[in-house]
Amino acid sequence: QQQVKQSPQSLIVQKGGISIINCAYENTAFDYFPWYQQFPGKGPALLIAIRPDVSEKKEGRFTISFNKSAKQFSLHIMDSQPGDSATYFCAAPGRYNFNKFYFGSGTKLNVKP
Amino acid sequence: EAGVTQFPSHSVIEKGQTVTLRCDPISGHDNLYWYRRVMGKEIKFLLHFVKESKQDESGMPNNRFLAERTGGTYSTLKVQPAELEDSGVYFCASSLFNQPQHFGDGTRLSIL
Repeated sequence: QQQVKQSPQSLIVQKGGISIINCAYENTAFDYFPWYQQFPGKGPALLIAIRPDVSEKKEGRFTISFNKSAKQFSLHIMDSQPGDSATYFCAAPGRYNFNKFYFGSGTKLNVKP
Repeated sequence: EAGVTQFPSHSVIEKGQTVTLRCDPISGHDNLYWYRRVMGKEIKFLLHFVKESKQDESGMPNNRFLAERTGGTYSTLKVQPAELEDSGVYFCASSLFNQPQHFGDGTRLSIL
């Protein structure tokens, strides 16, 4: 089994600020941790993912930091914009099945102009 | 390239009725997944097809849920009879082998 704990549940950030969302997982035999971004009425869309042969991955304003020993990973959104307002989900693969993903409960981000 | 398509986008039915959700994966994607999100909670895995075979159905809540993928193309998820606790958003996703999963926009199911 696998449990993914995501925090915070909701987040309000001023435009230009840094948004930080944290996730912790229990067990996995696979190293692939994606973050999904979901806008209202749409499905989750893959935002960025990390394979932890590195401890950090950056794509534009989005960075994943990974701490394998602590079984934690986080999403940092630099220079947050109102267009970033969405729900963010982290996910981790199951212990025995790479294709069976366990998701966090989601973080609703609101970036104020 | 067309994305994952789900029908209907919304469904409102009464308890005890039957509902069938449909998912058309991205063309060429052998892997197809069903997930469900109940209000405010995590997105939960239901099952995984590889072509027409059920690879993992450990997340299916009970035998009122039946998923099929005849011919390895589109998939259906039938709930019969529907109960109040089945309300939620049902997502379908597809992928190539061991590649990222692409999600559809979901079917919002409301049981009255």
